Amino acid sequence: AQSVTQLDSQVPVFEEAPVELRCNYSSSVSVYLFWYVQYPNQGLQLLLKYLSGSTLVKGINGFEAEFNKSQTSFHLRKPSVHISDTAEYFCAVSGRNTPLVFGKGTRLSVIA
Amino acid sequence: DAGITQSPRHKVTETGTPVTLRCHQTENHRYMYWYRQDPGHGLRLIHYSYGVKDTDKGEVSDGYSVSRSKTEDFLLTLESATSSQTSVYFCAISPGQGGQPQHFGDGTRLSIL
Repeated sequence: AQSVTQLDSQVPVFEEAPVELRCNYSSSVSVYLFWYVQYPNQGLQLLLKYLSGSTLVKGINGFEAEFNKSQTSFHLRKPSVHISDTAEYFCAVSGRNTPLVFGKGTRLSVIA
Repeated sequence: DAGITQSPRHKVTETGTPVTLRCHQTENHRYMYWYRQDPGHGLRLIHYSYGVKDTDKGEVSDGYSVSRSKTEDFLLTLESATSSQTSVYFCAISPGQGGQPQHFGDGTRLSIL
């Protein structure tokens, strides 16, 4: 069975500073990894996904994530955040034929 | 988003009453999912469906039942609602599992008094 740990429940960061949201997963089989964003009172939107191939994955809104198999991590990064990036971010993992398993979320607060 | 409509968007009801939430899709996706979202718990899978009349349990299925009589509709029923089922419920759809991403509805906020 897969599981996901998001290491920080809240991350405050100043506008235009870089940010990293950490995600570790556990699985005994090959995995697919995802990051979703949730803005207030909305559903989740897909930011990016890792299926195979290049370990650096680029997503929407300037976000990217790096798959590290040896560290079982899939950290999300952005070099310069904006106020509009304030939201909750969820890391998720699935196996070849299993539903997504989500982490508990990281609340990113961008401070002007 | 992605042709998913959840209804109702908000509901307040009393303990012990039955409640049905509806998810409707226009994408003809095979898979449909119901999640609940609670502070500190992220999203937890309740039930999912992989085709008409084909469903399976998720992590937190106790107290919930589902039905899918048509490709486009997936119903979540709380037979006798309890206060612990107060939550925000999200429906999601995907064409398959594994590397296929899920697309989410806007959620239903359910309060059980």
